Amino acid sequence: GAGVSQTPSNKVTEKGKYVELRCDPISGHTALYWYRQSLGQGPEFLIYFQGTGAADDSGLPNDRFFAVRPEGSVSTLKIQRTERGDSAVYLCASSLKGVTEAFFGQGTRLTVV
Amino acid sequence: KQEVTQIPAALSVPEGENLVLNCSFTDSAIYNLQWFRQDPGKGLTSLLLIQSSQREQTSGRLNASLDKSSGRSTLYIAASQPGDSATYLCAVVAGSYQLTFGKGTKLSVIP
Repeated sequence: GAGVSQTPSNKVTEKGKYVELRCDPISGHTALYWYRQSLGQGPEFLIYFQGTGAADDSGLPNDRFFAVRPEGSVSTLKIQRTERGDSAVYLCASSLKGVTEAFFGQGTRLTVV
Repeated sequence: KQEVTQIPAALSVPEGENLVLNCSFTDSAIYNLQWFRQDPGKGLTSLLLIQSSQREQTSGRLNASLDKSSGRSTLYIAASQPGDSATYLCAVVAGSYQLTFGKGTKLSVIP
C-alpha cells in the first residue's frame, strides 16, 4: 500500500479481554515500530522489529504485551488480560531501515472499559 | 537514557508570523532527528528528517536545523497559516534505532 495501515482504527474492549492490533507497513520497509501515545504525551516506544525478529522489545511494559512479525511484513500487537490503564492510541511506524525516515500509520485507539 | 524536551509546550501566533519551535536532547550520539506534525485524533506526518551529518533541511515554508554537539534542533515556520495549527513533535534516533520523542509543541495560528 501507499502508507502504513493500521486496523482497527478504534477498539473498545472489556477489562480482562484479549486484543490484537494489526499493522501493515509500507512495502519493502524492513524496520517496524510500535508506539503507545497517551493524551498530551509524546509517543512511547514499545518494540522495534528488523525483518522478522524483535531487535528491541525493551519498551513493552509487562508480559501481557507481545508482538509478532512472522513474515517480515505485517505485524500484530497482542495484549492479554487488558487493563483500563492500557487505554491509549497505539501507533505503528515503518522505515526502509533503522536509520531512515519513519512513516506512521493513523493509529488504533484502544479503550478498555 | 535519551531525553527529548520541546519548548514551548504551546504557542499561539497571528497568521503571517514567522515562528520557531525548539527541541533539545540529552545524548548527542544520534543517527538522525525527525520532525513530525500531528493533527487531533490523527497519526504522525513526517515533515523533515535531518541526518546526524547534516546541519539543516528545508521543505517549502519549513526549515529545520540541527546542532548535534549542543543537543538542539529548531523548526522554523515562515509565514504561518491557520492550516499549520497542529502539534509538532521532534524525535531522535540513537543506538537501538528506536525514536525517542518529546511531548510536542501545540501550535495555534489565529486568522
